[in-house]
Amino acid sequence: EPEVTQTPSHQVTQMGQEVILRCVPISNHLYFYWYRQILGQKVEFLVSFYNNEISEKSEIFDDQFSVERPDGSNFTLKIRSTKLEDSAMYFCASGEWQYFGPGTRLTVT
Amino acid sequence: AQKVTQAQTEISVVEKEDVTLDCVYETRDTTYYLFWYKQPPSGELVFLIRRNSFDEQNEISGRYSWNFQKSTSSFNFTITASQVVDSAVYFCALGNRDDKIIFGKGTRLHILP
Repeated sequence: EPEVTQTPSHQVTQMGQEVILRCVPISNHLYFYWYRQILGQKVEFLVSFYNNEISEKSEIFDDQFSVERPDGSNFTLKIRSTKLEDSAMYFCASGEWQYFGPGTRLTVT
Repeated sequence: AQKVTQAQTEISVVEKEDVTLDCVYETRDTTYYLFWYKQPPSGELVFLIRRNSFDEQNEISGRYSWNFQKSTSSFNFTITASQVVDSAVYFCALGNRDDKIIFGKGTRLHILP
């Protein structure tokens, strides 16, 4: 059964550094999403992506964040200058029914 | 605005007991979908069920069952004969096809041996 994969599983970075979180969605899917879960809290929507552009974004998704589908297979989330409060689990989801990847735990020190 | 409320923050039961996790939702949409996910300590989100707003039939899958009541905007989840492996955080969620999912705050379930 096809599944969504995410790399890395855990990323540690210093405050102010740029990070790129990678997702490989299921191959024939057209809708992609990123969600964030701060430790111990609920899962929150960040952004949805369809037809090579953002279709919706939350208030969390400010100018520090960007998404792209650089090569038709990967779907990336970039955080330009990380802050301590960006430490969270980031989930990618793929497809109209949102199959979730295993997540990337981002730790900002 | 759409909202999902899971009033039970944490529940502890002894193994083999039945346990029900409550979920109440708010939406103005006439068509919507309700979800339950399990998040074990390893952190991934495990999909359990998706239910269409037009289908109010109860669903049973092994030891798991779901009770959807549109009249009270509730979508409760029952685990029968709980096991230690059921220990996890359970999220109820609301969404629509090709649209974002709104999650509740989750219920942390401890099954004690």
